[in-house]
Amino acid sequence: DAKTTQPPSMDCAEGRAANLPCNHSTISGNEYVYWYRQIHSQGPQYIIHGLKNNETNEMASLIITEDRKSSTLILPHATLRDTAVYYCIVRPAGAASKLTFGTGTRLQVTL
Amino acid sequence: EPEVTQTPSHQVTQMGQEVILRCVPISNHLYFYWYRQILGQKVEFLVSFYNNEISEKSEIFDDQFSVERPDGSNFTLKIRSTKLEDSAMYFCASSEPAGQQNIQYFGAGTRLSVL
Repeated sequence: DAKTTQPPSMDCAEGRAANLPCNHSTISGNEYVYWYRQIHSQGPQYIIHGLKNNETNEMASLIITEDRKSSTLILPHATLRDTAVYYCIVRPAGAASKLTFGTGTRLQVTL
Repeated sequence: EPEVTQTPSHQVTQMGQEVILRCVPISNHLYFYWYRQILGQKVEFLVSFYNNEISEKSEIFDDQFSVERPDGSNFTLKIRSTKLEDSAMYFCASSEPAGQQNIQYFGAGTRLSVL
């Protein structure tokens, strides 16, 4: 699986957009970019994923660069409840393939 | 919204005892997984399961571990003889069968404390 690099921590003011970067320069053509988050010791929560096009859902937007070597997760209006560890995971397409979690980015949303 | 359910939320056991952690995956999902997270460490993959067979397992998943889908709804992880180092949060996940999306949805976890 391609390796990802994320900053260990970031701060964001409540109500502002949180932009979380991820570098995945060794991504291969059939690998998707997935984002999960983990609040305290709860189970990881799926946020969004994409292959090459930008994606948006009710939680976030995912911007993938044209060369697919990096991506940015955008939380448009961060709230205190978005404080969590965010994981960027690159994973091959195909059923039952595992998720390989790194250390992620600890996002702290402050008043 | 459908969710993965895990029981118990906290299991305390003595070293050397057998434990069974239980999971009820989302009802139409066909792929099942166990992960664990030792306190302060990364979430680690243990095993994936499909069509009543193990699809993939990690080095952690040794002979002390087994998984089973005993009926149409439950998915269990058994640790035969627990060690102190098995103390961790154990997460079950499931994913739907369709296409290449394969989004895994996680349960809230079982905290296993081995004394």
